[in-house]
Amino acid sequence: NAGVTQTPKFQVLKTGQSMTLQCAQDMNHEYMSWYRQDPGMGLRLIHYSVGAGITDQGEVPNGYNVSRSTTEDFPLRLLSAAPSQTSVYFCASRPDGGLYNEQFFGPGTRLTVL
Amino acid sequence: GQQVMQIPQYQHVQEGEDFTTYCNSSTTLSNIQWYKQRPGGHPVFLIQLVKSGEVKKQKRLTFQFGEAKKNSSLHITATQTTDVGTYFCAAPGSGGYNKLIFGAGTRLAVHP
Repeated sequence: NAGVTQTPKFQVLKTGQSMTLQCAQDMNHEYMSWYRQDPGMGLRLIHYSVGAGITDQGEVPNGYNVSRSTTEDFPLRLLSAAPSQTSVYFCASRPDGGLYNEQFFGPGTRLTVL
Repeated sequence: GQQVMQIPQYQHVQEGEDFTTYCNSSTTLSNIQWYKQRPGGHPVFLIQLVKSGEVKKQKRLTFQFGEAKKNSSLHITATQTTDVGTYFCAAPGSGGYNKLIFGAGTRLAVHP
């Protein structure tokens, strides 16, 4: 199993550009999520999904869209990039249900918005 | 919103010394998780604690969950250079298990 994969690894955007960060998992996990990591602030939840067709907002959803058309894929869209969105983005997944909820993280995408 | 406070922010130790990071919440937590992130890497799950007063060990790592389920600690005995990284605690937020709240992390540096 490849686990959780993310593309691209690095990206530089200009203010106002749009782009999609890709995330895929091959573990048949129902739950997937997106986090951003900024220095000194830990990881903050952007959006999450508990299954295909179901998404919801996390702590910091503004400026980001998500959709979940398949169990495997959970792309994150930046509609109009801003310098404040410069960050490292992690996608994570876990099997849903129950109290035990270990998350598996992808390798991350380092995004710079100029 | 709910916060999970983690201290210290940084810790520098000599190899062989012990290390402890603490995680505190103002509200009772249903469970708490610990993750490790190596420099340039991604968070990797270490353990989950669920029961009040629970203590779990993984080799040189000891994890504790407070009796009131409002605090937790990770203790590393006799640190090694392989322990370098940032340690995060995480707990379900007010939105439940689907919304995990992470502490800011403790960055551990180990000098040989």
